[in-house]
Amino acid sequence: QPVLTQSSSASASLGSSVKLTCTLSSGHSSSFIAWHQQQPGKAPRYLMKLESSGTYNKGSGIPDRFSGSSSGADRYLTISNLQSEDEADYYCETWDSNTQVFGGGTKLTVL
Amino acid sequence: QVQLVESGGGVVQPGRSLRLSCAASAFTFSNYGMHWVRQAPGKGLEWVAVIWNDGNTKYYADSVKGRFTISRDNSKSTLYLQMNSLRAEDTAVYYCARIHCTNGACHLDYWGQGTLVTVSS
Repeated sequence: QPVLTQSSSASASLGSSVKLTCTLSSGHSSSFIAWHQQQPGKAPRYLMKLESSGTYNKGSGIPDRFSGSSSGADRYLTISNLQSEDEADYYCETWDSNTQVFGGGTKLTVL
Repeated sequence: QVQLVESGGGVVQPGRSLRLSCAASAFTFSNYGMHWVRQAPGKGLEWVAVIWNDGNTKYYADSVKGRFTISRDNSKSTLYLQMNSLRAEDTAVYYCARIHCTNGACHLDYWGQGTLVTVSS
């Protein structure tokens, strides 16, 4: 079963950009992932599906400021022109043998 | 738009049972697999169980296997989670979520708002 590794925290200034990383464990570097955002006190929200090729497909209503990219076993979520509402926990997720696997989440602070 | 609304959470004593429901709307429920995912206070997301659209194929996390049962009623567009022999460590917000699959690759694409289950004496 794949393991997804995320940094526990990140921070960036209002109006700047930030790149969050989700790393797939050995043997799973070609897997796709999905990114989800969880604002404080709210349910998670699907952001995008991200393939190993770097192709991504965003969910309905997700702003253009959110984009994805890939390199080897790493899957990235880039948020441009950071807004205060982007302060949230970000989780990556993948699928293996009929189970879902989640990363530990990255807490993003907007300074 | 797609809507998932959970209900049934509450405070329950250890060893007792609880049944959660998730009412779905604005999509053809019988065409989609569904998950339960939980989040303990201050913790990350933990997958609990999945049921495919026909209702016959189900899988569970080891932490709940043998105690929890996932089911669905496609005629009512409703997902269920029967939770027996509850433990303190089952305390969490429980979310239902829809599966989206493309060429056999699946991910969650819609989430409910969650329902809180507290197991305490």
